[in-house]
Amino acid sequence: GAGVSQSPRYKVAKRGQDVALRCDPISGHVSLFWYQQALGQGPEFLTYFQNEAQLDKSGLPSDRFFAERPEGSVSTLKIQRTQQEDSAVYLCASSLAFGSTGANVLTFGAGSRLTVL
Amino acid sequence: DQQVKQNSPSLSVQEGRISILNCDYTNSMFDYFLWYKKYPAEGPTFLISISSIKDKNEDGRFTVFLNKSAKHLSLHIVPSQPGDSAVYFCAANGRNAGNMLTFGGGTRLMVKP
Repeated sequence: GAGVSQSPRYKVAKRGQDVALRCDPISGHVSLFWYQQALGQGPEFLTYFQNEAQLDKSGLPSDRFFAERPEGSVSTLKIQRTQQEDSAVYLCASSLAFGSTGANVLTFGAGSRLTVL
Repeated sequence: DQQVKQNSPSLSVQEGRISILNCDYTNSMFDYFLWYKKYPAEGPTFLISISSIKDKNEDGRFTVFLNKSAKHLSLHIVPSQPGDSAVYFCAANGRNAGNMLTFGGGTRLMVKP
């Protein structure tokens, strides 16, 4: 596709429900990132994939958060037993490559806004 | 521990004047610094970057200045236009700093006609 596509754009969940957020990266982009943006703050790194391999999940806040990218394209971020503090915009970003040099220029999707009641 | 900080949550300037957005960082391992712009209900979009070996990078109305000794960078927009009104995020990455983009908290710029 022309850009990074995320769905759903808005999700309201009751506390304790499980949610799944989807990301379609730009076709051919090897690297995929998930970020969490709380209200009034900057995006915070959650996890990173290179193709289907999850190379870094150091930013996932708890074991209730799980991400996968089984075929190296579409990715899903799953949050189990949602809590109110999970309310945030979840941003997905992709890039053609993720080398060891250069500015890490990412293309972001519009995000999925999760509200946990 | 916030490695990238934007201490001004908002800035208001008149159309045609200069906008100066500031950013401070603590991690000396950062190799590159980037500015992203975000409109409501959209994802951040890349604006301009600078390598840590340079002190200035210019692209049209946008110039980024880097002061490594002070661990400070700034984005200058001249002349400012109403369409520049958005939230601006400073970000950084480095080979020995995880190489993930680390973002500041953002500054909301309002350009008044």
